[in-house]
Amino acid sequence: GAGVSQSPSNKVTEKGKDVELRCDPISGHTALYWYRQSLGQGLEFLIYFQGNSAPDKSGLPSDRFSAERTGGSVSTLTIQRTQQEDSAVYLCASSSLVGSYPTQYFGPGTRLLVL
Amino acid sequence: AQSVSQHNHHVILSEAASLELGCNYSYGGTVNLFWYVQYPGQHLQLLLKYFSGDPLVKGIKGFEAEFIKSKFSFNLRKPSVQWSDTAEYFCAVGPTDKLIFGTGTRLQVFP
Repeated sequence: GAGVSQSPSNKVTEKGKDVELRCDPISGHTALYWYRQSLGQGLEFLIYFQGNSAPDKSGLPSDRFSAERTGGSVSTLTIQRTQQEDSAVYLCASSSLVGSYPTQYFGPGTRLLVL
Repeated sequence: AQSVSQHNHHVILSEAASLELGCNYSYGGTVNLFWYVQYPGQHLQLLLKYFSGDPLVKGIKGFEAEFIKSKFSFNLRKPSVQWSDTAEYFCAVGPTDKLIFGTGTRLQVFP
């Protein structure tokens, strides 16, 4: 089946504007993750959704960042009042609960540039 | 705090050379260990993973990694690299559902 998809693939915005990034997980995957990959750094965990449980938001860097997951499937990451330091590749991953430890499958990412 | 260190930031090899990329983590409990690879223009893919059992794990494309608990290490190895192995390699630790990634190692293989 199809893998994790993300849109848009690239986004250029002006400082202070809001942006929405979308993630479509693999069908049937109950867990969804957002990570951020900044230049020269590893992947930084942002937020994690698992089924109907309350999301783990412990990685969100500020209250300008929020995420939703509607109907247990598609997720939207919203960044309000973007800053230049928000420029990064935002990666989404999903996993199922099958197996002793779920393997995360990553999407292609959204490259965000804040001018 | 939990962390992952990849000390080799950039590795340059000729084809057929042997490869070893270092990965050390700091976490005292049970861990699950992963190596992900990102080929140019492609998204992150799982290379191999360790949950329990045999500490020598074999992955795709001839890669393997050895979990050494006493050294908190999970180094990636390949006996003979190919040009197509040029990519960025990320080590990750999953004590919980959230993965903690290293900063990555960029591997360039020249023919």
